[in-house]
Amino acid sequence: DTAVSQTPKYLVTQMGNDKSIKCEQNLGHDTMYWYKQDSKKFLKIMFSYNNKELIINETVPNRFSPKSPDKAHLNLHINSLELGDSAVYFCASSQGPNKANYGYTFGSGTRLTVV
Amino acid sequence: AQSVTQLGSHVSVSEGALVLLRCNYSSSVPPYLFWYVQYPNQGLQLLLKYTSAATLVKGINGFEAEFKKSETSFHLTKPSAHMSDAAEYFCAVSLYTGFQKLVFGTGTRLLVSP
Repeated sequence: DTAVSQTPKYLVTQMGNDKSIKCEQNLGHDTMYWYKQDSKKFLKIMFSYNNKELIINETVPNRFSPKSPDKAHLNLHINSLELGDSAVYFCASSQGPNKANYGYTFGSGTRLTVV
Repeated sequence: AQSVTQLGSHVSVSEGALVLLRCNYSSSVPPYLFWYVQYPNQGLQLLLKYTSAATLVKGINGFEAEFKKSETSFHLTKPSAHMSDAAEYFCAVSLYTGFQKLVFGTGTRLLVSP
């Protein structure tokens, strides 16, 4: 059983398109996150939801819109894709918004390539 | 603000040699510190964590790290490298800005030669 699963694993699309990435966790965690890893491997947090409520919203273009239908799911929708959006997007979860001491569990990532 | 600095974007060792990956943190309060490993085309896996208990922390795959407050360091070591240890290693600190979040260092690629 995969703890944090993301779909799709690979996504190739043209500039200007709209795409979504889905994430699901079966760990019973309350908090989920989206991270972006750029071509230099740098990881930066984008969003965090706690039990369906947005709690962290970093400086991210408003073309990116997260949605959490329930605490086990966190999706990322991206409008009007740009070349600079090409990256690996990781979903993660933790036991709670202030329980980072337990660490995060990461998904295997979605490699987005915009052409 | 809390952050982490990883010295050396690449570290090369021979199989069987000591592995030392460096991480320094800046924090005004005792931090939570983590090491994650990322194998090619995979997600991040937690190696070990420091949460203000023992200063010497043992993790998976024979890795360990020592929290040294006086040096603000949390270096990762392994006595004997294996080829399978070749990966990207990330140090991270838990940053509190209303809610906790993990902030990562820039990563260190470990290369292991036969």
